[in-house]
Amino acid sequence: NAGVTQTPKFQVLKTGQSMTLQCAQDMNHNSMYWYRQDPGMGLRLIYYSASEGTTDKGEVPNGYNVSRLNKREFSLRLESAAPSQTSVYFCASSHPYQETQYFGPGTRLLVL
Amino acid sequence: GNSVTQMEGPVTLSEEAFLTINCTYTATGYPSLFWYVQYPGEGLQLLLKATKADDKGSNKGFEATYRKETTSFHLEKGSVQVSDSAVYFCALSDAGGTSYGKLTFGQGTILTVHP
Repeated sequence: NAGVTQTPKFQVLKTGQSMTLQCAQDMNHNSMYWYRQDPGMGLRLIYYSASEGTTDKGEVPNGYNVSRLNKREFSLRLESAAPSQTSVYFCASSHPYQETQYFGPGTRLLVL
Repeated sequence: GNSVTQMEGPVTLSEEAFLTINCTYTATGYPSLFWYVQYPGEGLQLLLKATKADDKGSNKGFEATYRKETTSFHLEKGSVQVSDSAVYFCALSDAGGTSYGKLTFGQGTILTVHP
């Protein structure tokens, strides 16, 4: 039981490049989330998916897109990376009606 | 909207000292409250939670009580260890009985414990 896994662990991009961050969970959770973590700002919600087939914007969705590929997988895409998107990205999941979220180890992204 | 405010850090303590990290919140309805911990290089882990007023969450010697009258959820530990060095996040959930909930986080407090 791996919990929540994320790939890659670390990535360097040039401004304007695109990339997809992958997230998968093996806990049969319905809900999945993408956060970004910046110094002094805690974690901020980018997008979430309450269940397979649905996605909704969070607090800071601009510049990102998501895909809920199936119940296990929830990917985050940067179409044209900007230096302001340099951050650590965390994926999380939760079981219906249980508010505790389980987090992956994070992806550290540097945009030059 | 919902918000969470944590005490400014970083906090530096000697081993066996008493720890308090303050957390206050603003929310509509009746949120659940959480403390998450992030050890160096890792993701966040749930430390403890409380789902209604006057509930006390506890784990690994840490405690926090849901105080609706003061909208607070302060984290305490009587005797910290070097292994407690981490970043601590206070958070609230707006699930309100629905099938999913978005977490709103405080800015995090860095705790360093010296031997």
